[in-house]
Amino acid sequence: GNSVTQMEGPVTLSEEAFLTINCTYTATGYPSLFWYVQYPGEGLQLLLKATKADDKGSNKGFEATYRKETTSFHLEKGSVQVSDSAVYFCALSSRNTGNQFYFGTGTSLTVIP
Amino acid sequence: DTEVTQTPKHLVMGMTNKKSLKCEQHMGHRAMYWYKQKAKKPPELMFVYSYEKLSINESVPSRFSPECPNSSLLNLHLHALQPEDSALYLCASSQEVAMNTEAFFGQGTRLTVV
Repeated sequence: GNSVTQMEGPVTLSEEAFLTINCTYTATGYPSLFWYVQYPGEGLQLLLKATKADDKGSNKGFEATYRKETTSFHLEKGSVQVSDSAVYFCALSSRNTGNQFYFGTGTSLTVIP
Repeated sequence: DTEVTQTPKHLVMGMTNKKSLKCEQHMGHRAMYWYKQKAKKPPELMFVYSYEKLSINESVPSRFSPECPNSSLLNLHLHALQPEDSALYLCASSQEVAMNTEAFFGQGTRLTVV
């Protein structure tokens, strides 16, 4: 079946630190992979996506590369800001399962000045 | 326009009330979803509509009744809820269930059952 395993949080970093949030997946077929971000009291916003192996998704300084050999999609940012404080969800979708979205458990990030 | 609009933003209802949550998108998407999210948890899928027909029901209790009146609208009718149903209810849409495209989420309705 399909599933996503995400690094446990919470994560606390100082401003300008390097961020990595690990994400691995199990899927049948050829899934698409996503990172969503949720700010307090809000819905989920798409941060970036990758639809096939070796694709790199990027947005707002965040990057993630679809690695089929390691079934991973780790999120990275070179220099975090206070405004990046949020919960980050790794997710996959697969047309084999009607484009249902499978979410990881979420990683809470707090960036301190 | 990449917006999914949900109303109301907040709802407090008693266990004997009947209420409805509404969701609207104008992106021409043919797949629409309801998710339930408890605090500090990921969203849990409740229902998927594909071309206005219910395609997935994740064994949701019958006190939750979805409706898709047209391709832009999705409703969730609530009746005789329990306090444990209090959660953030998220609506989402995507192009089609046969495509691995991203879903766009609304801001959610924060539901409190008293």
